[in-house]
Formats: sequence, C-alpha cells, structure tokens
Amino acid sequence: DADVTQTPRNRITKTGKRIMLECSQTKGHDRMYWYRQDPGLGLQLIYYSFDVKDINKGEISDGYSVSRQAQAKFSLSLESAIPNQTALYFCATSDAGSLLPQHFGDGTRLSIL
Amino acid sequence: AQTVTQSQPEMSVQEAETVTLSCTYDTSESDYYLFWYKQPPSRQMILVIRQEAYKQQNATENRFSVNFQKAAKSFSLKISDSQLGDAAMYFCAYKTSQGGSEKLVFGKGTKLTVNP
Repeated sequence: DADVTQTPRNRITKTGKRIMLECSQTKGHDRMYWYRQDPGLGLQLIYYSFDVKDINKGEISDGYSVSRQAQAKFSLSLESAIPNQTALYFCATSDAGSLLPQHFGDGTRLSIL
Repeated sequence: AQTVTQSQPEMSVQEAETVTLSCTYDTSESDYYLFWYKQPPSRQMILVIRQEAYKQQNATENRFSVNFQKAAKSFSLKISDSQLGDAAMYFCAYKTSQGGSEKLVFGKGTKLTVNP
C-alpha cells in the first residue's frame, strides 16, 4: 500500500460545485501539506498542518479550506469551484525534524468546467 | 523575493552517459536550502537530493550529485550513468532557513529524456 494515498485520482466537475480531496498517510508523520501544480510549473503551497490542532495558510490559500481530522488524515475543500482551480493537487507528509515534504501522494487531477 | 530559474526546458541523454541540469537562483539570504525533485510520468514528486547553503561540500546521492556554487548562485544536478528510469521532469527548489516559512520556490522544470 502507498504511504500517502489521495482520493480521487481524477475528478471532473462543474463551476460552483463543492469538492473535497482526501489524503491519508501511514507514515505516522505529524506534518501534512497540500500543494497545487499548474502545467509547466512547480508546486505552490496551499495549506499545511504540523499537527491536528495546527493549520496554516500557504501562499495560495484563497478559495480553499482544509480539515485535519486525525494525524493520518488531511482533506482539502474547494467550497465553490472555479475553472482556474483546474490543476494537479498533491498531498505530502514529513516528520517533525524534516526541512521539507518527504513523501508525496500520486496527485489528484482536478478539472473544473 | 527569491526566484529559481531552470534555463533548459528539455534535455536528452544517451543511456549510460552523464547529463547536467542547470539551476540558478536569486536571493539576498545567506542561509537557505536547495533541492532537486524528480517527477516521473507517474506524477509523484520524489526528492532526489538536497543541499544546505552553509555546507561547502557538494551533496551526493548515488548517481546524483550537485555542483553548488554559492557565489554564482548556481545549483546544477549531475546524473551519472543515466538509466531509462531517470526520464522525468526535474524541478529545482529553494527554501528559506528562516523559521515559520514552509514555502518552497520552484523553477519551471527540465524535462529529461533518456535514449536507449
């Protein structure tokens, strides 16, 4: 089984819909991250969480919200999806001593029509 | 603000040969971290190698090594004995050493093709 599992792997939806992307991990890591990748670009940080009670905005948090339901689960929501949120979304984890995300999920490709 | 530039959108190499991917960055900080990530067609981001700016010694991980030139703000990745599985997008990334910031600044990537 994968260390970091994202669901769904692909999703097509319409403008205005509420969407939730889910992430679960078996690494036992405290830190979890959500990133967005647009075509031809690297990753941009949306939100990150250092533990269940600690949620922080990244560089592009507008239009997104997150929930850390447990140490192993970190979900990303788009309350009212818009076409420019079409992108590849990654969840990642790291342990407390790491400088940066160590383990990534396989990504969720989200298309908003 | 920090920026990262990868000037080679695409590179190709013959299997078993050596290839170097370029990365330059701009920062006013003296202490920071630099990384190379690999993204194969499977989409997953994989950390290849990291370098702390305060270390003069270039980082090495098996067939992967870096040439870190702090004064020139250059951080190139050398892949030796290239294998077909090395074919991927490679991203150079920068992270500040200042506490409280988790932001990674990425370059736009270099697509590496490995020819058999």
